[in-house]
Amino acid sequence: DGGITQSPKYLFRKEGQNVTLSCEQNLNHDAMYWYRQDPGQGLRLIYYSQIVNDFQKGDIAEGYSVSREKKESFPLTVTSAQKNPTAFYLCASRLISNQPQHFGDGTRLSIL
Amino acid sequence: KQEVTQIPAALSVPEGENLVLNCSFTDSAIYNLQWFRQDPGKGLTSLLLIQSSQREQTSGRLNASLDKSSGRSTLYIAASQPGDSATYLCAVERDRDDKIIFGKGTRLHILP
Repeated sequence: DGGITQSPKYLFRKEGQNVTLSCEQNLNHDAMYWYRQDPGQGLRLIYYSQIVNDFQKGDIAEGYSVSREKKESFPLTVTSAQKNPTAFYLCASRLISNQPQHFGDGTRLSIL
Repeated sequence: KQEVTQIPAALSVPEGENLVLNCSFTDSAIYNLQWFRQDPGKGLTSLLLIQSSQREQTSGRLNASLDKSSGRSTLYIAASQPGDSATYLCAVERDRDDKIIFGKGTRLHILP
């Protein structure tokens, strides 16, 4: 089935450690997005990419990094500079503007 | 700055009732508006997308309307069922290929 796969489902980070969240899609979508969701809050955009080898910062990019080396993949690294990383992270993709976004099932990141 | 507000934050209604969820946005210059559903611990599922030139969209028991001039959208759910229990989020896209701004959602509980 076509869709977006996020892994792992749960992730734990130690102090000073970088961790990478995986997002893979087989929908042949050009645009991909990373969002952060905190309890009772809406989604906040971290980074997005409209095309391979290009990406833009969202509203809360500090402490995060991304790459877009392949159309299918858009991994997110949560660096040690992100002091409050505990949240639910959602990856999304869409074909073009004015088409709905498709979301993965998320990764829940916690601090040890 | 575009802001999206959803009121109420939570709503409980008996099964079988028709209901309306509200979404308001501060800047009427939008490209499109989407309604999503989110089940606990899961990603978002797109329900309806209304382009700026449209007034409404329908899918099964769901009907979404858009009034750009007043900065409002409503999601109408007919003959509610327990399976409709979820959080419903509204999101606006400011311009083509631009960032998508999400509301905080309305948590809906349908009472059997």
